[in-house]
Amino acid sequence: SAVISQKPSRDICQRGTSLTIQCQVDSQVTMMFWYRQQPGQSLTLIATANQGSEATYESGFVIDKFPISRPNLTFSTLTVSNMSPEDSSIYLCSVDSGQGEFFGPGTRLTVL
Amino acid sequence: LAKTTQPISMDSYEGQEVNITCSHNNIATNDYITWYQQFPSQGPRFIIQGYKTKVTNEVASLFIPADRKSSTLSLPRVSLSDTAVYYCLVGDGGSQGNLIFGKGTKLSVKP
Repeated sequence: SAVISQKPSRDICQRGTSLTIQCQVDSQVTMMFWYRQQPGQSLTLIATANQGSEATYESGFVIDKFPISRPNLTFSTLTVSNMSPEDSSIYLCSVDSGQGEFFGPGTRLTVL
Repeated sequence: LAKTTQPISMDSYEGQEVNITCSHNNIATNDYITWYQQFPSQGPRFIIQGYKTKVTNEVASLFIPADRKSSTLSLPRVSLSDTAVYYCLVGDGGSQGNLIFGKGTKLSVKP
């Protein structure tokens, strides 16, 4: 299985600011994904991070709010822009190893 | 995309075998069935994946009937540390990421 790390593990941010979350994998993977898990809820896919091209966003998520970078096959970032308290959530990246999807530890974001 | 239905919660005692059943009536031909475990404040952890019949690994077994419209995750001899939320998902094994997480089953293991 792939080893996935995320930075920061948690943060408390002010309304209107932006936070960039990093996801690092210990091996090259084709598919990387970003999810959100709001308090007490299940996971919701935000987008697929494509290496060398724009991310593919799910319904309800847009690039202006959640810009994503994927500069290589082991790294991706998700930015939560112009944050509001409704963005308070756990953000997780995941990778498809070919034998299932493996998740990072998540980034717990609190927006005041 | 196939929707899944699981019990919201289950209770068990240490040492018992726990079976969690998931319904996925609209599963597509190329969909795999995958189960994840999630502890509070952690990302989901892959448990097991299967396509049909029975799959077993060091953690669990997955039973899938011939019609594939349901699946059962079997956890042998659970311990307190197995208390977690268990998610059943179906999706295209060749392009993961279109997985839809339902509410999962909250398993509580008691001493």
